[in-house]
Amino acid sequence: GNSVTQMEGPVTLSEEAFLTINCTYTATGYPSLFWYVQYPGEGLQLLLKATKADDKGSNKGFEATYRKETTSFHLEKGSVQVSDSAVYFCALIAASGGSYIPTFGRGTSLIVHP
Amino acid sequence: EPEVTQTPSHQVTQMGQEVILRCVPISNHLYFYWYRQILGQKVEFLVSFYNNEISEKSEIFDDQFSVERPDGSNFTLKIRSTKLEDSAMYFCASSERSAGGPYEQYFGPGTRLTVT
Repeated sequence: GNSVTQMEGPVTLSEEAFLTINCTYTATGYPSLFWYVQYPGEGLQLLLKATKADDKGSNKGFEATYRKETTSFHLEKGSVQVSDSAVYFCALIAASGGSYIPTFGRGTSLIVHP
Repeated sequence: EPEVTQTPSHQVTQMGQEVILRCVPISNHLYFYWYRQILGQKVEFLVSFYNNEISEKSEIFDDQFSVERPDGSNFTLKIRSTKLEDSAMYFCASSERSAGGPYEQYFGPGTRLTVT
């Protein structure tokens, strides 16, 4: 079956530090890959996505590259801000029999200190 | 910007009681979903709903669970006889379309269900 593994949190950083949140996956077929973010008290929001190998998704300074050879989709940001404090979820959709239900990881909490 | 809303934000109930979690999807969306996340675990799919019927469900979605769209705006998840292990955050989501591609799902803020 499909699965997503994320690094354990919380990840605690100082403002302007470099961020990496690791995500690896197993999937049947050729999945699309996603990062969602959940700010306190809000729902999950799509942050970025990539639909084929070597694609780079980017949004709000965050980036992730679809690496088929390592089955990874690590999230990076060069300089984090306090407002980036949230929970980040890696997810995949591997369409099977017409199903487009995402498989999520456990989420990684990011805490950014001033 | 339109958003998915859920009520209540936190529900405490005793084991064996029935609970109904409510969601108001985005108004022009046609596909509706429920997910849950047990504390510290991954977000798990429960059920999807389209055209007034269930289109997919997971193994978690057993006979204790049911979904309904009682009117043109609400989408509800009912748990008939809650168990301790039903304690989790429940997320509702909606999307404009589903077939033909992974269209973005818009999530609500969640309802935290605590079963005592």
